[in-house]
Amino acid sequence: KNEVEQSPQNLTAQEGEFITINCSYSVGISALHWLQQHPGGGIVSLFMLSSGKKKHGRLIATINIQEKHSSLHITASHPRDSAVYICAVKGVDKLIFGTGTRLQVFP
Amino acid sequence: DARVTQTPRHKVTEMGQEVTMRCQPILGHNTVFWYRQTMMQGLELLAYFRNRAPLDDSGMPKDRFSAEMPDATLATLKIQPSEPRDSAVYFCASGLVWGGLTVTNEQFFGPGTRLTVL
Repeated sequence: KNEVEQSPQNLTAQEGEFITINCSYSVGISALHWLQQHPGGGIVSLFMLSSGKKKHGRLIATINIQEKHSSLHITASHPRDSAVYICAVKGVDKLIFGTGTRLQVFP
Repeated sequence: DARVTQTPRHKVTEMGQEVTMRCQPILGHNTVFWYRQTMMQGLELLAYFRNRAPLDDSGMPKDRFSAEMPDATLATLKIQPSEPRDSAVYFCASGLVWGGLTVTNEQFFGPGTRLTVL
């Protein structure tokens, strides 16, 4: 069993839909990262959170430490949100990555 | 515009050849990570450095891989000899950790080196 599991693996949506990507982990962590990997391959860090909720524009990330679960929400999705979203948990320094969720948003 | 740079961006080589990948972390960052991404394994940590000292290289096959930081502005990842299974995208990332806390709240990723070993 992977230490970090994401669901769904693939997700398609129509522009404007509300999107949720889930991440569950089985190890103790100091923080959790959400990363976005564009079709061109570049990786951008979206959030790092250790409790509660963070919001940046149309993106919202939440974490429940007791349940070892995090969600990434995208409101009013847009085709430019199409990317792979990767959850990664952080122990002391190291990141352990989930396998990613491939999101495609169609106009 | 501070960003992590990696060279080369693409490398095609033959099995058995030595490969050296370079990374320039963001100026002032004291932690450098090397990651590898493949279709089968996804992203995985190979090694990381703090203040140029290696802290963890347990993710790296030691018989053929080596990682160094000759100075604070350069990190290198070397494969000798290379094998077809090393074909992957290798990412470098940097961050700032101070007093045990991640100051920057994130890791900044370079564009990656796409390695193909024939």
